[in-house]
Amino acid sequence: DQQVKQNSPSLSVQEGRISILNCDYTNSMFDYFLWYKKYPAEGPTFLISISSIKDKNEDGRFTVFLNKSAKHLSLHIVPSQPGDSAVYFCAARSGGSYIPTFGRGTSLIVHP
Amino acid sequence: DAGVIQSPRHEVTEMGQEVTLRCKPISGHNSLFWYRQTMMRGLELLIYFNNNVPIDDSGMPEDRFSAKMPNASFSTLKIQPSEPRDSAVYFCASSPDSTGNTIYFGEGSWLTVV
Repeated sequence: DQQVKQNSPSLSVQEGRISILNCDYTNSMFDYFLWYKKYPAEGPTFLISISSIKDKNEDGRFTVFLNKSAKHLSLHIVPSQPGDSAVYFCAARSGGSYIPTFGRGTSLIVHP
Repeated sequence: DAGVIQSPRHEVTEMGQEVTLRCKPISGHNSLFWYRQTMMRGLELLIYFNNNVPIDDSGMPEDRFSAKMPNASFSTLKIQPSEPRDSAVYFCASSPDSTGNTIYFGEGSWLTVV
């Protein structure tokens, strides 16, 4: 049973436009959420995170939004660049078990 | 600084053979994780060590899988005997603390069992 769900396996966006990657979770105990980015033949790297006490966290072109009532978070990339093309993993953890649980990932392709 | 180092990067083996994957965590990190990535299940946690002690191995799929961490700078994940359904990318990762907020992944070991 997937506790962290990324229902879109892939997303295609034109350069300069906004990319929105979605993630849903089922465990109400999750209190910290992370996004990892993975290029082919490389390991995932940490991108951005958000605590459950916030509803938005911004870092440059990347913004993560959290809607706790809907158990939903999203990663916005604006403007999207071809170098953003990668697989994005959503992850979540709870204070009781700080090991993050990952989703299946969404493959983002940004076309020039 | 060197990141998490995994070997081999690629392994092709025949069904029934033993496979050993190796990992050197980042120096000073006290938490080590083994993950498996597949298309169907994404990134799954197999086992987690803290200070060389296995803390959670509930993700290990079956008895054919075993992991060890004999010291702070080395860990192995062994599959014996291997099966075609074990084909996946196996990632080792380490973390400097116990918060889980920052996990650094290696480049992965691509395993194909034929």
